[in-house]
Amino acid sequence: QKEVEQNSGPLSVPEGAIASLNCTYSDRGSQSFFWYRQYSGKSPELIMFIYSNGDKEDGRFTAQLNKASQYVSLLIRDSQPSDSATYLCAVKGDSSASKIIFGSGTRLSIRP
Amino acid sequence: ETGVTQTPRHLVMGMTNKKSLKCEQHLGHNAMYWYKQSAKKPLELMFVYNFKEQTENNSVPSRFSPECPNSSHLFLHLHTLQPEDSALYLCASSQRTDTGELFFGEGSRLTVL
Repeated sequence: QKEVEQNSGPLSVPEGAIASLNCTYSDRGSQSFFWYRQYSGKSPELIMFIYSNGDKEDGRFTAQLNKASQYVSLLIRDSQPSDSATYLCAVKGDSSASKIIFGSGTRLSIRP
Repeated sequence: ETGVTQTPRHLVMGMTNKKSLKCEQHLGHNAMYWYKQSAKKPLELMFVYNFKEQTENNSVPSRFSPECPNSSHLFLHLHTLQPEDSALYLCASSQRTDTGELFFGEGSRLTVL
């Protein structure tokens, strides 16, 4: 059983629309949740993190967490071609754990 | 200097060779990580070091041998690798292991012939 699951895509969204990326995780004790963006041929870069249930907004990005449903999502408003990348969901256990588990990523394509 | 620097960026080696990957971070972080990224597979955690001490070995074969002489440097020594070990090896650092916010290097692309 995969620990962190994401739809591999590609997810195609028109420019200016909202892109919605989803992630589920299996460890109910998970405490910290991260979204990384990885452009083709580049390394992942952190764009959002969320620790508490609810929404967290940062510019055009909103992370949503529902621990009861073991579900975390990333919304990108006013999508731009520069948002085209693979988005990796990552999950961390309790504060003492050093293991950060990644999903296999969702490839997002913003079409002009 | 970029935050996390990895060398070499590309490496081709035979199965009987011995080589090393190097990672250096200039962020003042205390935790360093090795991840393996293969096509269409999730990033796979290999090793974690916190204040130079290894805290995670994710059942990695002994042909991969990590070394962390200080909090700024991390090595991955490679010997008698297999073709299936060909992948992108990513080094990352974080302030501490309990923060979870990773800063990645550009990776070392390894090809084993």
